[in-house]
Amino acid sequence: KQEVTQIPAALSVPEGENLVLNCSFTDSAIYNLQWFRQDPGKGLTSLLLIQSSQREQTSGRLNASLDKSSGRSTLYIAASQPGDSATYLCAVGANSKLTFGKGITLSVRP
Amino acid sequence: NAGVMQNPRHLVRRRGQEARLRCSPMKGHSHVYWYRQLPEEGLKFMVYLQKENIIDESGMPKERFSAEFPKEGPSILRIQQVVRGDSAAYFCASSSGGGTGPVYGYTFGSGTRLTVV
Repeated sequence: KQEVTQIPAALSVPEGENLVLNCSFTDSAIYNLQWFRQDPGKGLTSLLLIQSSQREQTSGRLNASLDKSSGRSTLYIAASQPGDSATYLCAVGANSKLTFGKGITLSVRP
Repeated sequence: NAGVMQNPRHLVRRRGQEARLRCSPMKGHSHVYWYRQLPEEGLKFMVYLQKENIIDESGMPKERFSAEFPKEGPSILRIQQVVRGDSAAYFCASSSGGGTGPVYGYTFGSGTRLTVV
């Protein structure tokens, strides 16, 4: 059974800092990995999608990496801003379903 | 491009009533998925549907829950005789492909927040 872990559960950083959010998963037989952002009381916004054959994807200030063999992914956020404050969810895709971690709640202090 | 549309956004039901949650996938998407987010827990897969077919319902509770995606109209997640433990956010996602996994990933709706009183 796939298990996805995101540690720590919460993170607070000052504005402008570069940061890395970690995600680990137990079963390397995945099809893809997707990072989402969730604002309080809102839905999920897709940030980056990495196929199992890829090593990384970039979008603006975000960069996501995938090491399938070790069961790890990281989301790198450059020059963090208060508007980046949200919960970041890592989800591993296989067999037409996603297995989610519980998320990392990020707070960026002005 | 309206994205994945879910309604209602908020739903309050008394114990024992029925809850119906609706989901219209993105234009061009024929695969629909339902996920549940319980308080303080991560999102959990419930069911995967294509038009008129349930492909995978391995995450659905055995009783009181059902889902459909008819030939015409939105996908419906139906919860009969709701109990307090059904209070959660229910999210629908859609994709343009399925199989082992959609090439372009999943697009999620804003969710329906069900409160059972």
